[in-house]
Amino acid sequence: AQRVTQPEKLLSVFKGAPVELKCNYSYSGSPELFWYVQYSRQRLQLLLRHISRESIKGFTADLNKGETSFHLKKPFAQEEDSAMYYCALRPRGGYGGSQGNLIFGKGTKLSVKP
Amino acid sequence: EAQVTQNPRYLITVTGKKLTVTCSQNMNHEYMSWYRQDPGLGLRQIYYSMNVEVTDKGDVPEGYKVSRKEKRNFPLILESPSPNQTSLYFCASSSTQTYEQYFGPGTRLTVT
Repeated sequence: AQRVTQPEKLLSVFKGAPVELKCNYSYSGSPELFWYVQYSRQRLQLLLRHISRESIKGFTADLNKGETSFHLKKPFAQEEDSAMYYCALRPRGGYGGSQGNLIFGKGTKLSVKP
Repeated sequence: EAQVTQNPRYLITVTGKKLTVTCSQNMNHEYMSWYRQDPGLGLRQIYYSMNVEVTDKGDVPEGYKVSRKEKRNFPLILESPSPNQTSLYFCASSSTQTYEQYFGPGTRLTVT
């Protein structure tokens, strides 16, 4: 079954500390992985996608196919990083419209304290 | 400005009173989708549409209907809302080139 697991509901760190938000997935094929961020009272925004291999707002994420993980990392957390983070998987090779469907994890709320 | 818009943003209604939440995108995207977001459950897909007149069920379609008569619009219809449909609803769209989903601002629905 296709599934995305974010084991931490809440992650609290101090400003300047490293942060790692965990994401594990279950998918038999070759997935496409994303991280979305939702700041308080705002819409979800795409933060990263694994195929672009970019660093956005200091965040990076590497797809580890062996461990089926796509953890989000930032070396020095900032207060403005406080938000809800969702990991999502797009099963490549789906049929018809299902190719666009995203499977979301339940989210991790990151709280960065001053 | 490229965007996805939803209306209304907030709605309080009573059980059984039909309602429609509109969603519109100006990016000429083929793919559109509706999600509901509930605490502890994350985002769950309700319906999606690959293109005009092509729609399909997501993970939690019961109690909802959709239509896609125009490419830009994808309304969500609750024929007979019930309290368990109280939730935060998001519409999203993407091109079939990138499948990078753009989300609307959300509609907070309360059914009493």
